[in-house]
Parts: sequence; C-alpha cells; structure tokens
Amino acid sequence: QVQLVQSGAEVKKPGASVKVSCQASGYSFTTYYMHWVRQAPGQGLEWVGVINPSGGTTSYAQKFQGRVTMTTDKSTSTVYMELSSLRSEDTAVYYCARKQVGQPFDYWGQGTLVTVSS
Amino acid sequence: EIVLTQSPGTLSLSPGERATLSCRASQSVSSSYLAWYQQKPGQAPRLLIYGVSSRATGIPDRFSGSGSGTDFTLTISRLEPEDFAVYYCQQYGSSPLTFGGGTKVEIK
Repeated sequence: QVQLVQSGAEVKKPGASVKVSCQASGYSFTTYYMHWVRQAPGQGLEWVGVINPSGGTTSYAQKFQGRVTMTTDKSTSTVYMELSSLRSEDTAVYYCARKQVGQPFDYWGQGTLVTVSS
Repeated sequence: EIVLTQSPGTLSLSPGERATLSCRASQSVSSSYLAWYQQKPGQAPRLLIYGVSSRATGIPDRFSGSGSGTDFTLTISRLEPEDFAVYYCQQYGSSPLTFGGGTKVEIK
C-alpha cells in the first residue's frame, strides 16, 4: 500500500534551518511529483512547492523563494524539504503529498510539526 | 494566482441534515481541476472529490461535487457523525496551487 512517512517533530530557533524528510513506499517513486503543503496552527492549507523525483526539477511558491530547497534521494525513495532563516511565522505542520499532472493530491504524509521559538 | 473563497466559514447542522458548501474562484479553474478535501483534527487532509464531481476511491455517495468555471459546490446529502470536520477546496490546474480557507461543519 502507498505510504508517505515523514520525519519527526522539530523545534528550532529563529534564524535556523530545518530539514524535513518524506519517505515513499508502495508505488513507483519517480512517477509522481512530490509536493509540500504547510498548515499553521488553527489555519488553512498553504502550498510550499514541488519536486519531480525523476529529474530533481523544482518549483516553489513565490513567498518561499530563496528560503526553501527541495531535494530527492532516489536510492531511498525520499524527498527532503529544507527551510532556512526560520521565523516564528513558519511554525506549522508540514505535509508531503504526491500528485501526478492533472490529478489532485491522493496520498499525504502524516505531517511534521516544526516549531520556531526562541 | 487563483484565489478560492469558501463559504460559509462555519456550518452548524445536525446529523441527517444536508450540507451545502460553496467555493468561488477569482478566475476560471482550468480543465475543471477542482478538488475537495476533508480534514479532521490531528489528521492529514483526505481527498474526497476531484475533477469537480468525481468521487475518490472509497468515498461514500452521500458526497457529491458540482459546478463549473468559478463556482463550485460540495454537497453532503445526509450528515453522518463522522462527517463533522473541516472541508477545503483546491484548484490544481494552475501554479501556484491554491486552497480555499476552509468550511468547518460542526454539530448543532
């Protein structure tokens, strides 16, 4: 069965960086794009960006440009999202979700809580 | 960027009642790439409807989607206790992908 398993919760200080992982299983890893979506406490869903695990190409939401980096490791079917220059407003649950072109998000990771606090 | 506006913000209903949720887009959603997700506290969103009106695998037929262009609706024909949750619409036809602000369906 399809599974997206994310790394555990993180607590970071303002200005630091965080790297969250998402390991996929149960399907052909390179045939789905992997997206990242975040949700601040009590708030809605916000798209962060996407990576194509096959070639490594990325596209990021404008507000995260310059601060986010998504990478992939095909040997372990894992994608990573690194967010730098953290501020308190980045406190959120970060989800990975797989998607094909023209299709919605059909499977999501369990979420990773990133807390930014001094 | 396509802005999605959901209404109402909160819907207070009783089990067995019909729920009608609205999602309005700031511009036409290309190729009917409009989806609805359900989210319960502490859980990831779950896909309910895609392509405006197609139910995802395993979704009961009391959930239905309709609409076109800029106006879309999610209808739950008879609310079951497990349906009380937050619902989000999403357009996935153009970048950046965007979500509506959500509608909370709560028990009256």
